[in-house]
Parts: sequence; structure tokens; C-alpha cells
Amino acid sequence: AQKITQTQPGMFVQEKEAVTLDCTYDTSDQSYGLFWYKQPSSGEMIFLIYQGSYDEQNATEGRYSLNFQKARKSANLVISASQLGDSAMYFCAMRLDYKLSFGAGTTVTVRA
Amino acid sequence: SAVISQKPSRDICQRGTSLTIQCQVDSQVTMMFWYRQQPGQSLTLIATANQGSEATYESGFVIDKFPISRPNLTFSTLTVSNMSPEDSSIYLCSVAGQNTDTQYFGPGTRLTVL
Repeated sequence: AQKITQTQPGMFVQEKEAVTLDCTYDTSDQSYGLFWYKQPSSGEMIFLIYQGSYDEQNATEGRYSLNFQKARKSANLVISASQLGDSAMYFCAMRLDYKLSFGAGTTVTVRA
Repeated sequence: SAVISQKPSRDICQRGTSLTIQCQVDSQVTMMFWYRQQPGQSLTLIATANQGSEATYESGFVIDKFPISRPNLTFSTLTVSNMSPEDSSIYLCSVAGQNTDTQYFGPGTRLTVL
């Protein structure tokens, strides 16, 4: 069974600094997708970034970048130039056959 | 990107009753899913809503408790039956985008069972 591990329950980051959220995954499948979502206190799940298992370049979306290390089975999210609005829960997820499995999440608090 | 709406956005229900949650997408989608997020927890897939056939349930979830309908490619409902306080959760509808690199969620339904 696939497993997603996020080892950081919570993190504090100073405004305008960068923060890295860790995510490791376990699967024997060769074809899979890795997602990061942001969940503010309102509860909605906001799609941030995607990395396919066959993608050779790391994905980037604005201030978000995904550090994909396939051999180590890690897919860390880097948020650059943190803003107060980035304070939220962040979930890493792996998709197999269109089904998403989620990690436990990391709460990020941005300090002014 | 797909625009997904859910009704109701939140509800407070008495134990033993049932609640039906609606999910509407602004475009036709093949793959539609229902997830549950219990308080302080991560998301768990309940089932895949299949158009024209019975939903496919994940381990630990059964049709009698969570009946699902999918009458067309833009709409689905999830019913939480015979509710107990343990069913208090956020229920989220999700769709796979046209491209494999996207998967979107609805705004969620926050359910409290007393």
C-alpha cells in the first residue's frame, strides 16, 4: 500500500523568508503523481503544484517549487518569500489510478 | 480549471438522521470522488462516483452508510446515513481535470452531528 509521510507537524517562518516542507512517499509503481495542497482555516483544498513521476524537471508555480528526488522518494515543497496569507495547513498527496493518498499535513505559521 | 460547488456548506444534524451532500461541476468530468476529513486529520478517500454504475468504495466504507449517486458527468451526491457524532467531518468532492496534472476539490461540507 502506498504511504505518504510528512514529518513536520508544524513550522514557523518569518515573513519574506523561504520555508521547505518535507514529504516522502512509498510506492512500487513507476507511474504516479505528486501533489501539494494548501488548506486554510476555511477548510477548502487549494491545489498548489504537481509533479509527475516521469517529469525530469522540478515543477514550479510562482512562489512554489517542488524539489523532486525520485531515488530518495521525496517531494519537498519550497515556498519562497513567505507571506502572512501563507499561514495554513499543507498536504502532500500521491495519486495512483486517480486516487489520492494524503500525508498527515504540516501547519505553517508565518510571523510578521 | 474546474469550478466545483457543494451544498450545503455546513450543517448540524441530530444522530440517527441522514444528510445528502450535493456536488456540482461546471464542466463534464469523467472521474469524481468523495473524501472525508475528520477533525484534525488528513483526507481519506470514501469512494469513486461512477457515472451509470455503482460507486466504488474504499476499504472501511460501505454503500449502506454512504450511498452515492452520479446521474450525469457534472453532478453527484453523497448521503451520510444514520449519522453518529463520529461522522462529524468535512466532506469534500473532488474531480480529476482534463490534464493528468490537475485534481480539484470542492469547498467542502462541514458536518457536525450532535
